[in-house]
Amino acid sequence: DVQMTQSPSSLSASVGDRVTITCRASQRISRNLNWYQQKPGKAPKLLIYGVSSLESGVPPRFSGGESGTDFTLTISSLQPEDFAIYYCQQSYSSPITFGQGTRLDIK
Amino acid sequence: QVQLQESGPGLVRPSETLSLTCSVSGYSISVGYFWGWIRQPPGKGLQWIGNIYHSGRTNLNPSLKSRVTMYVDTSKNQFSLNLSSVTAADTAIYYCARVLSDIEARPPNNWFDPWGQGTLVTVSA
Repeated sequence: DVQMTQSPSSLSASVGDRVTITCRASQRISRNLNWYQQKPGKAPKLLIYGVSSLESGVPPRFSGGESGTDFTLTISSLQPEDFAIYYCQQSYSSPITFGQGTRLDIK
Repeated sequence: QVQLQESGPGLVRPSETLSLTCSVSGYSISVGYFWGWIRQPPGKGLQWIGNIYHSGRTNLNPSLKSRVTMYVDTSKNQFSLNLSSVTAADTAIYYCARVLSDIEARPPNNWFDPWGQGTLVTVSA
């Protein structure tokens, strides 16, 4: 199975901060990388698919990038509603796997 | 607007079969798309269970494949999950979701959107 490792596992930041979450794949996954946001008691919500394509309705302060087997989710200016858990997901090989999640808290 | 809703028992006895149904509104599943199941143990991360096409073709997580059955009922616009021989380790929130694909990617990139609200299934005697 492809292991997806997110860093950091948790992060404290302030409104207005720029934050970056990294997801590293244990093997090459091409551009088959997607990001989700999950708030307490809610289902995950798609943010970005195919590394950098922003889902319709998602604010442009969210962006995705890549460098080799490392993928990044960047929030350019944190808003109060952005404090949540973020997951990456690969679909390059079966089984589909998710990262362990990054918890983003208010500092 | 596509919406999904999971339903099924919230409590299942150990060694029995967990059965859940996902009802889809706003789209006819007989038209296309894969449809998926994902689970999340309380306070933990996400695990993909498998996907099913409207034709009944499935892609299943090998770690669960021996215990999983999925099927589609196009007349009711529903798809279902059966997980047999459950243990406490199967206690989780179970989500259903539509699977979207970028077929131009090699292999195709698949992601989940939208998701149902999730249903908590507890395995306990």
